[in-house]
Amino acid sequence: EDQVTQSPEALRLQEGESSSLNCSYTVSGLRGLFWYRQDPGKGPEFLFTLYSAGEEKEKERLKATLTKKESFLHITAPKPEDSATYLCAVQADGGTSYGKLTFGQGTILTVHP
Amino acid sequence: SAVISQKPSRDICQRGTSLTIQCQVDSQVTMMFWYRQQPGQSLTLIATANQGSEATYESGFVIDKFPISRPNLTFSTLTVSNMSPEDSSIYLCSEEGKSGHHEQYFGPGTRLTVT
Repeated sequence: EDQVTQSPEALRLQEGESSSLNCSYTVSGLRGLFWYRQDPGKGPEFLFTLYSAGEEKEKERLKATLTKKESFLHITAPKPEDSATYLCAVQADGGTSYGKLTFGQGTILTVHP
Repeated sequence: SAVISQKPSRDICQRGTSLTIQCQVDSQVTMMFWYRQQPGQSLTLIATANQGSEATYESGFVIDKFPISRPNLTFSTLTVSNMSPEDSSIYLCSEEGKSGHHEQYFGPGTRLTVT
């Protein structure tokens, strides 16, 4: 069974204090690993897809990396508007549930000014 | 990315009743998905809805409890039947983008409270 574990559960940062969020996963065969941002009362907003170990993607202050067992979301010089819950999900290659995303519990990020 | 809307955005229902949630996408898509996000939990896939075929349900979810319709390529409904307080959740629909990269785009969700 595919599993995703995110850590820490919650992270409080000062504005400008860089840090990383972790996503550990087990999957029979990885089609893709996805990062989403979710604001309160809204649906998840797509950020990145990573497909293979060594791959990196960047968007503004966010950078996602991937190894064979985990992914990191690095946040450089965060701003208060980066406060949100960050979700990691995996999609398996094959199996009966085509397209299924298996999500982690998320990391609640709070950035204080 | 697609624009996805859901109705209603929230509702409070009595136990034993049913609620139908609508999901509208602004462009034709083959696959639509329904997820549940229970309080303090992450998202769990309920079922996959393809136009012209029966929905495919994940383990722990059954058609009698969560019937799904997919009448065309831009619309789907999820019904939560014979509700109990344990059904209080956020229900989200999603569709797979057309980029070929398998990412899914989500609607804003329907917040359901069962009393």
